[in-house]
Amino acid sequence: LAKTTQPISMDSYEGQEVNITCSHNNIATNDYITWYQQFPSQGPRFIIQGYKTKVTNEVASLFIPADRKSSTLSLPRVSLSDTAVYYCLDGSSNTGKLIFGQGTTLQVKP
Amino acid sequence: DTAVSQTPKYLVTQMGNDKSIKCEQNLGHDTMYWYKQDSKKFLKIMFSYNNKELIINETVPNRFSPKSPDKAHLNLHINSLELGDSAVYFCASSRELAGVAYNEQFFGPGTRLTVL
Repeated sequence: LAKTTQPISMDSYEGQEVNITCSHNNIATNDYITWYQQFPSQGPRFIIQGYKTKVTNEVASLFIPADRKSSTLSLPRVSLSDTAVYYCLDGSSNTGKLIFGQGTTLQVKP
Repeated sequence: DTAVSQTPKYLVTQMGNDKSIKCEQNLGHDTMYWYKQDSKKFLKIMFSYNNKELIINETVPNRFSPKSPDKAHLNLHINSLELGDSAVYFCASSRELAGVAYNEQFFGPGTRLTVL
């Protein structure tokens, strides 16, 4: 069973770069790694997805090493509005084994 | 326009009752999902439904049953509600099965179920 683990919480200050790492102990060969952001009383929202190496979009970067046993979400220059819970995800829904991590609560301080 | 909508937003009911939560997506996606988020914020997939194929997480009790009248709707029916069913339930959709390809899931706003 795929299992992902990530830190429970992190603190940062506005303008800093934040890196959140997730372990993917049993990721399968065909599984992609995805990160989601969730604000209180809302559903999760897609941030970024990758298979290996580095992926960058307008909001974040995702680093995945060659062995794919971990992934790191990088948020450049965070603001107060980035305060949220961040989830990593692996697995595949075609086997019913889509596994979210327990979430990292990021608190951005002024 | 809301991409994925759920009703009701809040549901309070007694143990033993049967209830349903409705979900609709207007994105034209082929796959829909139901997730349960407990008080510790763990998100667990319950079902995925793709082109009339139901994929079930084996840990889900058979009191829970998804019903899809058409591709845009996936409702969740719960029989004989128990205290432990209290949670937030999220519906989601994606173009294809999540995880196997670049494929973003769009989540609804959630339904907070409280069983008394």
